[in-house]
Parts: sequence; structure tokens; C-alpha cells
Amino acid sequence: NAGVTQTPKFQVLKTGQSMTLQCAQDMNHEYMSWYRQDPGMGLRLIHYSVGAGITDQGEVPNGYNVSRSTTEDFPLRLLSAAPSQTSVYFCASSYSPTGDQPQHFGDGTRLSIL
Amino acid sequence: DAKTTQPPSMDCAEGRAANLPCNHSTISGNEYVYWYRQIHSQGPQYIIHGLKNNETNEMASLIITEDRKSSTLILPHATLRDTAVYYCIVRVSRNTGANSKLTFGKGITLSVRP
Repeated sequence: NAGVTQTPKFQVLKTGQSMTLQCAQDMNHEYMSWYRQDPGMGLRLIHYSVGAGITDQGEVPNGYNVSRSTTEDFPLRLLSAAPSQTSVYFCASSYSPTGDQPQHFGDGTRLSIL
Repeated sequence: DAKTTQPPSMDCAEGRAANLPCNHSTISGNEYVYWYRQIHSQGPQYIIHGLKNNETNEMASLIITEDRKSSTLILPHATLRDTAVYYCIVRVSRNTGANSKLTFGKGITLSVRP
């Protein structure tokens, strides 16, 4: 079972560079989301999507863009990386956003911005 | 979502049952109790969830008190690989997209000793 797959696992960028964090799920889940995890801050929601073609902002969306052209994929784009975006990024998915459906996480992308 | 309270840490011997407590005294009738864990350097892993009844799956059992103000996660035969931070979370059953974010507290660090 692949579940939620995130690539790359590690990345180092220079300030101002752009990149895309990939997230794919093979469970036919409609709901997908991106979180960042920083020491002492817990998980913070960046963007989410309730289905293909539909995205919305979470708690900390600034500096990030998303799109959802297929059910399976939900990439996260950093247009101009900043040191404050150094973090561990997790993608999650579930059948729906309702509270009775568990969200399943990928193993994360560890991103360092120099 | 209701707040949860967990002790900061506990340990247990390998092969014995690990009983992890959680207090959620302000839980509402439409809120689910969820347990996740995070092993170092990995993404949060869904374990189990329940509303009112006790639940069991291949990983663990969830015991919810009759008044629903507390619960216990039981790992029946703990192994060294179960060493992790365990999070107890409550979630409203009917969430919109943004409200479906998972809020992880500090969790309880379980150390399984040989």
C-alpha cells in the first residue's frame, strides 16, 4: 500500500529559489491538505482541497501556492523561498474533511532554506 | 474542538500492555476521539478513533468512558518500535474544510524499554 507519497524527502534551497513539493495518494481520497511542523509550534495548516479543482487557504498560506488538477495529486509550490519557510512539510489525505474520517499522512519533506 | 490533556511521558516494558490515558472533559456529543502517533522523523500515523463505543483494530484498542470525558489507548503488546509521541485529539464530526485541520497538542512520549 503506497498511501500518501511525498517527494523529495529532503531539499536544500537558497533564498529566492522556487520549488514544488509533490504529494500523491492512491486511496481515491477527496480531501487533501498540507501542514508544516516547526519545533514548539505543532502542525499548522497551509492549504487544503476538498476535491479536484477546489483549493482554499489554511492558517499559514502566505508564500505558498497549491493546485488540484487530479484527485491523486496535490503539489505545494514555494514561489520565492525564504529562511522562515525552513520546516518539515506533511501532506495528508482523507475520504472527506468530516470528523469521522481519519486523515493519513505522508512521511514528510524536510526543507532547509539558506 | 475540545481540548485534551495527556501526561507528558510514560514508559512500559517490552511485551507488556501500554495504557495511555487522555482527558477530554469538555468533549461534545458530536466529537470523535482520535489517536495518532509520531515516531521520530516520520509523519503522524493514524492509530484509531471512536465516538462512544470502545474500538479495536490491528494496532490498538480504544476505551472511552461512559461519560466520554476520558479515554485510554491500549497497545496490547508493546514493542521497541512503539516508542513514539502519542497524540489524543478530538474532532467535530461535521467539519468544513478549514475546520478539519488536526490540532496536535504536546502528546505523551511513550518509551518502551527492553
